[in-house]
Amino acid sequence: SAVISQKPSRDICQRGTSLTIQCQVDSQVTMMFWYRQQPGQSLTLIATANQGSEATYESGFVIDKFPISRPNLTFSTLTVSNMSPEDSSIYLCSVVGLTSGSWDEQFFGPGTRLTVL
Amino acid sequence: GENVEQHPSTLSVQEGDSAVIKCTYSDSASNYFPWYKQELGKRPQLIIDIRSNVGEKKDQRIAVTLNKTAKHFSLHITETQPEDSAVYFCAARQWAAGNKLTFGGGTRVLVKP
Repeated sequence: SAVISQKPSRDICQRGTSLTIQCQVDSQVTMMFWYRQQPGQSLTLIATANQGSEATYESGFVIDKFPISRPNLTFSTLTVSNMSPEDSSIYLCSVVGLTSGSWDEQFFGPGTRLTVL
Repeated sequence: GENVEQHPSTLSVQEGDSAVIKCTYSDSASNYFPWYKQELGKRPQLIIDIRSNVGEKKDQRIAVTLNKTAKHFSLHITETQPEDSAVYFCAARQWAAGNKLTFGGGTRVLVKP
């Protein structure tokens, strides 16, 4: 089955700094998304990563804080900018259109656990 | 936008008993309803899904039912085992709305041996 990987798997950062998270899929996918999961909570969609164009952000999330890139059909990055302790969370990428699944099933990467001090 | 409510938030069952988790959704245009299982420290795993043209779907010990009129869907786990202990999330999606999933709040299931 297709592999979705994320780097880094975890990081501890100082407030005011930025961290870029990478999501790599080993096959082309139609859609890529970024989610946030705060401790003990559900999953909240940050944005849809659009290939070759600006991401589509959900209410409460802005490009200046969470810039996203998707240069091709297998790779995306999420940057968490000017971090504060409230950004401590798990960030997950998610994809639709893996050839190993139904055309519209959505699968998740392993997540990046971010702690901001 | 879509709103998904999930109940109960926690569920404790004896091994071998059944577990039922219920979700309601608000947008009648939603047409795809997946369920994810998330073990501690792991990614959410898709375990079963149902589309709006189907009323029930089964896969071994798990089944999902959908009532479009009432806008609710349920996950049924029979003959529960300790490895079923996890957090379960329901979700709803409208393909026409950018294929975005809206998740319920999650149910923490504990299967006691």
